[in-house]
Amino acid sequence: DSGVTQTPKHLITATGQRVTLRCSPRSGDLSVYWYQQSLDQGLQFLIQYYNGEERAKGNILERFSAQQFPDLHSELNLSSLELGDSALYFCASSPRSEGTGSATDTQYFGPGTRLTVL
Amino acid sequence: AQTVTQSQPEMSVQEAETVTLSCTYDTSESDYYLFWYKQPPSRQMILVIRQEAYKQQNATENRFSVNFQKAAKSFSLKISDSQLGDAAMYFCAYRSVGSQGNLIFGKGTKLSVKP
Repeated sequence: DSGVTQTPKHLITATGQRVTLRCSPRSGDLSVYWYQQSLDQGLQFLIQYYNGEERAKGNILERFSAQQFPDLHSELNLSSLELGDSALYFCASSPRSEGTGSATDTQYFGPGTRLTVL
Repeated sequence: AQTVTQSQPEMSVQEAETVTLSCTYDTSESDYYLFWYKQPPSRQMILVIRQEAYKQQNATENRFSVNFQKAAKSFSLKISDSQLGDAAMYFCAYRSVGSQGNLIFGKGTKLSVKP
């Protein structure tokens, strides 16, 4: 158990709908990262938050957005869903926002949310 | 931009034998971190081993060790005394020092372990 929790584990929805994925980082971790794992694109970085502020953006679609709340949990919002959005969405957390050389920089992954868009 | 390449989509090893998974990367940075993550059928991403680019000594974690060749931009993972529980997808990942801290992953290598 990494200490990172994600809910729900599975989500099945229809095209055009909107869903929210939730992540609670490890205790004390300030950074939250969202990754998407799909068959055709592999593991891709979406977005990073650090202590409530957006820190970096990757290949995140405009239909997707995220935020990190004062209690440090994060939500990833996916709207106008398409079939191609079906994927495993991971959240990871680490104490810092950037790589600093410390072993504590390691990103620990949650169990993921499996999203199926029908 | 940095890229990570895993040229072996699938590998197979006999139980108790040794297997090496390959990873190459491309970067113009001089300092960075490299990781191997394991993803078993449960889909959980589990850190196997990490390597700091400024360290010449190869990292080891029990049966897992790496061969880090900085000049060649190569970072292979050696699994000794393979066990059935080692069967999984293995992902090589790169992370910059400073700036953005996100991981850049390779496509993965699926490792099968034969009893």
